[in-house]
Amino acid sequence: KQEVTQIPAALSVPEGENLVLNCSFTDSAIYNLQWFRQDPGKGLTSLLLIQSSQREQTSGRLNASLDKSSGRSTLYIAASQPGDSATYLCAVRQETSGSRLTFGEGTQLTVNP
Amino acid sequence: NAGVMQNPRHLVRRRGQEARLRCSPMKGHSHVYWYRQLPEEGLKFMVYLQKENIIDESGMPKERFSAEFPKEGPSILRIQQVVRGDSAAYFCASSPGRGPYGYTFGSGTRLTVV
Repeated sequence: KQEVTQIPAALSVPEGENLVLNCSFTDSAIYNLQWFRQDPGKGLTSLLLIQSSQREQTSGRLNASLDKSSGRSTLYIAASQPGDSATYLCAVRQETSGSRLTFGEGTQLTVNP
Repeated sequence: NAGVMQNPRHLVRRRGQEARLRCSPMKGHSHVYWYRQLPEEGLKFMVYLQKENIIDESGMPKERFSAEFPKEGPSILRIQQVVRGDSAAYFCASSPGRGPYGYTFGSGTRLTVV
């Protein structure tokens, strides 16, 4: 059974800092890994999708890496801003579980002005 | 492209009533997934559907919950005889198919059982 863990559970940083969010998964037989952002009381916004054959994806100030063999992904946020405050979720899509996503518990990020 | 549309956004039901949650996938997407987020918990898979077919319902509670995705119209998640423990955010996602596609999520329906 796939298990996804995100560390840290919560993070508070001053504006302008670069930061790294971590995601690990137990079963490396994945199609892809997706990072989402969830604002309080809102839905999920897809940030980056990394296929199993890729090592990283970039979008603006965000960079996500994937090391499939070791079961790890990181989300790097450069020059953080108060508007980045949200919960960040990592989800993996299995090759063998009928296409479901397995989510981590999330990292709650607060960027202080 | 309006994205994944869920309605209602908020739903209040008394214990014992029925709740019906609707999801219209993105245009061109034929695969729909329902997830539940209980208070202070992560998102848990419930069911995966294609048009007129339930592909994987292994995450659905055995009783009171059902889902459908008819040939015409939105996907429906139905909860009969709701209890307080059903209070949660229910999210729908869609994708173009079984391949290595990303998911697009709707804004969710927040169900409160009083």
